[in-house]
Amino acid sequence: GQQLNQSPQSMFIQEGEDVSMNCTSSSIFNTWLWYKQDPGEGPVLLIALYKAGELTSNGRLTAQFGITRKDSFLNISASIPSDVGIYFCAGQGAGNTPLVFGKGTRLSVIA
Amino acid sequence: DSGVTQTPKHLITATGQRVTLRCSPRSGDLSVYWYQQSLDQGLQFLIQYYNGEERAKGNILERFSAQQFPDLHSELNLSSLELGDSALYFCASSVAVVNEQFFGPGTRLTVL
Repeated sequence: GQQLNQSPQSMFIQEGEDVSMNCTSSSIFNTWLWYKQDPGEGPVLLIALYKAGELTSNGRLTAQFGITRKDSFLNISASIPSDVGIYFCAGQGAGNTPLVFGKGTRLSVIA
Repeated sequence: DSGVTQTPKHLITATGQRVTLRCSPRSGDLSVYWYQQSLDQGLQFLIQYYNGEERAKGNILERFSAQQFPDLHSELNLSSLELGDSALYFCASSVAVVNEQFFGPGTRLTVL
């Protein structure tokens, strides 16, 4: 089945630094979603992307739908302590197939 | 608050038992999805319902079953529980079958 490779697995950064993470797929996706999950809570939708090449921002977060439709990137600018958590990418292929989730990037911010 | 509610928040039970997890989707959402998340694991898709009908099935065990009722709430039934079934179980909802999914707070199941 479809698989998503999300990297890096974890990252430790200083407060104020910018962060980049990405997801790659072995197949084409029509939709890319980015979620953030805090410990013991449900994932929260951050950004949704529906078109190849699309670049969308949500505050300090910016995500892009890769032009090959096999990858997506999430950038966080000027990180703050509350950015700590696990970030998941999710992709959906053609034909109303279920979302496929990456294994997550665990972000730690050092004040 | 995503608008998706799940009960109970925590559930502790013994091996061999059966439990029911409940989910109410956001107002207006017709699709409900169930996911399992084990410790330090990603989200594993279990099953999807759309307007009362099963729409898609993932890696759901035969011991697990679900349904969506006319009022659109959904229940996930887990039977003959094993230690390995201990996990967080999330429900998500969306307006249609191709759309952003909004997650509930989850039910933490512990099987002793």
